[in-house]
Amino acid sequence: DTEVTQTPKHLVMGMTNKKSLKCEQHMGHRAMYWYKQKAKKPPELMFVYSYEKLSINESVPSRFSPECPNSSLLNLHLHALQPEDSALYLCASSPTGGATNEKLFFGSGTQLSVL
Amino acid sequence: LAKTTQPISMDSYEGQEVNITCSHNNIATNDYITWYQQFPSQGPRFIIQGYKTKVTNEVASLFIPADRKSSTLSLPRVSLSDTAVYYCLVGANNAGNNRKLIWGLGTSLAVNP
Repeated sequence: DTEVTQTPKHLVMGMTNKKSLKCEQHMGHRAMYWYKQKAKKPPELMFVYSYEKLSINESVPSRFSPECPNSSLLNLHLHALQPEDSALYLCASSPTGGATNEKLFFGSGTQLSVL
Repeated sequence: LAKTTQPISMDSYEGQEVNITCSHNNIATNDYITWYQQFPSQGPRFIIQGYKTKVTNEVASLFIPADRKSSTLSLPRVSLSDTAVYYCLVGANNAGNNRKLIWGLGTSLAVNP
C-alpha cells in the first residue's frame, strides 16, 4: 500500500467554524507533513512530524493546529480561518524525515474554501 | 538557501522528447535534486532524483553536469497524459538546522495532439 489518504476531499467552512482535516498512511513511514498550495503556486510547507513529534512549524498562524495521534495518522485542526486560507491542503509522508532526499508520498489533498 | 529557477511553461507534441532545465546556482554539497509531477487537483508525485551525472528510470532521465548548478529533466516520447506541472526541488537548511526542500515555481507542460 503506497497511498496517503486524505479526508475530506472538499470542505467549505465559515470563518467561525471548527473543522479537521485527516490524513492516513500505512507504509510504516515515520515522518508526516502538511503543505498548503494556492492555485498556480508550489506547495508551501506548514508542519513536519518526525516520529510523532513536531519537528518543523513554518511560523504557521495558531488558527491551524496539527496533531499526530500515532505514526499512521495526521490531523490538521482548523479554527477561525480567514478567506485567504482557502487553498489545497496536502498531506505527505516519508520514511524518516531525517534527510531532504527522502521521497515524499502525497495524498490527493483537501480543497478548502473559507467563506 | 538554495533557490531553483525553471521555465514557467512549455509546449510540446505527442511523441516528442521534452527537456526541462532547472537552475540551482547555490546548491549545497549535500543537496540532491528531485523532480515531482503534479496533475490538477492531485498531490505531487515523485518522478526522479539524482546527485550527479545521469539517472534514468522507467519514466524519465535526469542529467546533472559536473558543477551541479543546473539539471535537466528529460521526458522521452511524451503523450497527452504527461500534461502536468513539473517541479524541481533541492534540499536546503533553514533556521535551526532543520532541513527542508525548496520548491521551484514549477513548469506547466502542455502536450498537444
